[in-house]
Amino acid sequence: DAGVTQSPTHLIKTRGQQVTLRCSPKSGHDTVSWYQQALGQGPQFIFQYYEEEERQRGNFPDRFSGHQFPNYSSELNVNALLLGDSALYLCASSLGGGANVLTFGAGSRLTVL
Amino acid sequence: KQEVTQIPAALSVPEGENLVLNCSFTDSAIYNLQWFRQDPGKGLTSLLLIQSSQREQTSGRLNASLDKSSGRSTLYIAASQPGDSATYLCARRGFNKFYFGSGTKLNVKP
Repeated sequence: DAGVTQSPTHLIKTRGQQVTLRCSPKSGHDTVSWYQQALGQGPQFIFQYYEEEERQRGNFPDRFSGHQFPNYSSELNVNALLLGDSALYLCASSLGGGANVLTFGAGSRLTVL
Repeated sequence: KQEVTQIPAALSVPEGENLVLNCSFTDSAIYNLQWFRQDPGKGLTSLLLIQSSQREQTSGRLNASLDKSSGRSTLYIAASQPGDSATYLCARRGFNKFYFGSGTKLNVKP
């Protein structure tokens, strides 16, 4: 039973560039949430996608956007990268539009130079 | 403001000790509370989930308790082992999202 898979695992970008991160949820899950984890901090909620719509959003600027596809996979896009966007980006999947039990992927480590 | 606080931030113990990690939260409107383990540079592995109607959950050497009235949860690790070394995060579930603490970094010395 495949868990949550994320790609790429590591990437390096420069300020001002754009990045796209990808996530495939656990088999049977239909809801994807994205979290940002800065070094030494706990994950911070970015947004959640269910039925191909953004259902809830955390305190992140519009530079952060996402998409969910009919197969439930999801993308996180970040435009105009800042140094402060350097973090581990975690995708979590769950079932039914809620967040009762989250299954996390291994994350995508983004470094912005 | 939704806050989750974990104490201590770091803990170093000799192998075999029993230990307690603490988590406190400011909002008693809780759906559930989940404890996670995170190894360096890795994702989160769920350890225990306590529903709001429950008081505790146990899995092997781990026991987690929840006291909604005081806004506290504890993770008890019995007979610690070097393989338990990791960062432990607690997360309070609000509506459709989790609020995480900053974690307790545990080092179990052989």
